[in-house]
Amino acid sequence: ETGVTQTPRHLVMGMTNKKSLKCEQHLGHNAMYWYKQSAKKPLELMFVYNFKEQTENNSVPSRFSPECPNSSHLFLHLHTLQPEDSALYLCASSPQPGQGGDTQYFGPGTRLTVL
Amino acid sequence: QKEVEQDPGPLSVPEGAIVSLNCTYSNSAFQYFMWYRQYSRKGPELLMYTYSSGNKEDGRFTAQVDKSSKYISLFIRDSQPSDSATYLCAMSGQGNAGGTSYGKLTFGQGTILTVHP
Repeated sequence: ETGVTQTPRHLVMGMTNKKSLKCEQHLGHNAMYWYKQSAKKPLELMFVYNFKEQTENNSVPSRFSPECPNSSHLFLHLHTLQPEDSALYLCASSPQPGQGGDTQYFGPGTRLTVL
Repeated sequence: QKEVEQDPGPLSVPEGAIVSLNCTYSNSAFQYFMWYRQYSRKGPELLMYTYSSGNKEDGRFTAQVDKSSKYISLFIRDSQPSDSATYLCAMSGQGNAGGTSYGKLTFGQGTILTVHP
């Protein structure tokens, strides 16, 4: 595996379900990110982790719970979601957290549908 | 006012045309400017990266930054059907200057481009 991988690629869940999204980066980077991409909207940054520590929570509802056990893995735990949470969830990583121009590399995303 | 404005299109051009994609921004603290390309059902991939004002060329792609006008452009020469994708501009500041945050990219909405044979 190379680059940034995400599983599952597609997920359909009910509002009462609990599920998790997984992201793994094989680039040796130190920062990882979760983004939400909805139709006709810019990418919305959700969470930033630098060296496994959360450094940004962009006012994300508590029904989204991130976990970063090490610099290579990032999870997004989902529970009691709403239909408006349906979107493409993208994971990204970057080499040098906290520096201007630190380029981010994205995974393919998980297409989430909440019924 | 959005921090970054990008016309969502869609933009449809014939093969071989020169394509011009643009973004405007309001935060003068932005110093790093990127263009990402996103194919359908894929994540964004970094296409071009520039620092401050000036031009950068890579094959058929040229990125221009005009900080005085807060305006960035991506030109695609001799466009091909394989260039059909959504193009996202993104930018960031230096550290926490001007309200920007460490590690934070601010994205435009993306422009949908179709190059037809």
